[in-house]
Amino acid sequence: QVQLVQSGAEVKKPGASVKVSCKASGYTFTSYGLNWVRQAPGQGLEWMGWISGYNGNTNYAQKLQGRVTMTTDTSTSTVYMELRSLRSDDTAVYYCTRTSGDHAFDIWGQGTMVIVSS
Amino acid sequence: EIVLTQSPGTLSLSPGERATLSCRASQSVSSNYLAWYQQKPGQAPRLLISGASSRATGIPDRFSGSGSGTDFTLTISRLEPEDFAVYYCQQYGSSPPLFTFGPGTKVDIK
Repeated sequence: QVQLVQSGAEVKKPGASVKVSCKASGYTFTSYGLNWVRQAPGQGLEWMGWISGYNGNTNYAQKLQGRVTMTTDTSTSTVYMELRSLRSDDTAVYYCTRTSGDHAFDIWGQGTMVIVSS
Repeated sequence: EIVLTQSPGTLSLSPGERATLSCRASQSVSSNYLAWYQQKPGQAPRLLISGASSRATGIPDRFSGSGSGTDFTLTISRLEPEDFAVYYCQQYGSSPPLFTFGPGTKVDIK
């Protein structure tokens, strides 16, 4: 079945970096783009950025420009999201999600909790 | 940047009642690329509706989406116990940011 499986929870100190992985299976990886969406505790959903599974092109949310990098490894059908210079307000659940043909997010990973605390 | 506003913030209803959720965009949503998601506590969001009115695979027909341009509606015809959750709308636009979410509507049990 089509699924996205993310790496496990992380605890980081302010100023550090975190890299979260998302492994896709059950579909042709290069035929779809993937997004990262985060959700701070008790808050709504925030789109972080998109990466093409075909050629690795990216489009990041302006507020995260310069701190976030998304990459792909087509040999393992895995997408990575690295966030640098972590702050306490980066504490959130981070989701990877596939973009469907009509630009909706049809498949979601299980989420990865990232806690930033000194 | 297109801003999405959802109303009401909270909707208190009983099982069997009809729920009407609104999503309003600050500018016209291109090609009606408007989607709706359901999220339950501790779970990832689930796609309900895409293209403003197309139900996603496996979504019951009590869920329906309508609207165009700047005004969109998600209707749940008869609430089941498992429908009490938070609902988000989301749009895709050709100008940055690529995707935006509304703040959500919580449907809780009256």
